[in-house]
Amino acid sequence: DAGVIQSPRHEVTEMGQEVTLRCKPISGHNSLFWYRQTMMRGLELLIYFNNNVPIDDSGMPEDRFSAKMPNASFSTLKIQPSEPRDSAVYFCASTGGRYLVKGELFFGEGSRLTVL
Amino acid sequence: GENVEQHPSTLSVQEGDSAVIKCTYSDSASNYFPWYKQELGKGPQLIIDIRSNVGEKKDQRIAVTLNKTAKHFSLHITETQPEDSAVYFCAARKAGTALIFGKGTTLSVSS
Repeated sequence: DAGVIQSPRHEVTEMGQEVTLRCKPISGHNSLFWYRQTMMRGLELLIYFNNNVPIDDSGMPEDRFSAKMPNASFSTLKIQPSEPRDSAVYFCASTGGRYLVKGELFFGEGSRLTVL
Repeated sequence: GENVEQHPSTLSVQEGDSAVIKCTYSDSASNYFPWYKQELGKGPQLIIDIRSNVGEKKDQRIAVTLNKTAKHFSLHITETQPEDSAVYFCAARKAGTALIFGKGTTLSVSS
């Protein structure tokens, strides 16, 4: 199995630019999560989807952040406009199983974002 | 919502020594407590987990203990090896919610 695939692996952009991060979950997994990792705050949950429906987006920092899951095999996390404080590693993770709470979380390798 | 505190933030041990990482959680309804290991440049990977109906679980050199009354759980690594060097995250979750992670512990094992 290919695992969770994220792109791009690295992104350097200037403040004010739009950033789109992409994720392909493991085939057959029905839950998808976006986390952000920084030294100060560790791994923070941003949003998660179950069967392509957003369940909890309370972790999304502000209106500049948005996430979509148009189908079971693709999700995006968009930041517009980006700010230097958005610099972090963004992880996508997926899990399978009939119910949301069951199953191991499988993480992608992350997208490292640097906003200058 | 759930809040997970993890200590220490960094831990240095000699090869062969034991390492202990401790976490506390706030929501008494949480019933699932996994530990993840993150190697440099990679995403976190599950190494062991425990559910609230169990007090202790062991898998070779790693073990996890859970004290529901005190709302804390710990990871124990015995006979540490250089390849154990990584960032370790604890997490907690209750039914119908996503995993909430601690801030991580950077473990360094020197030979």
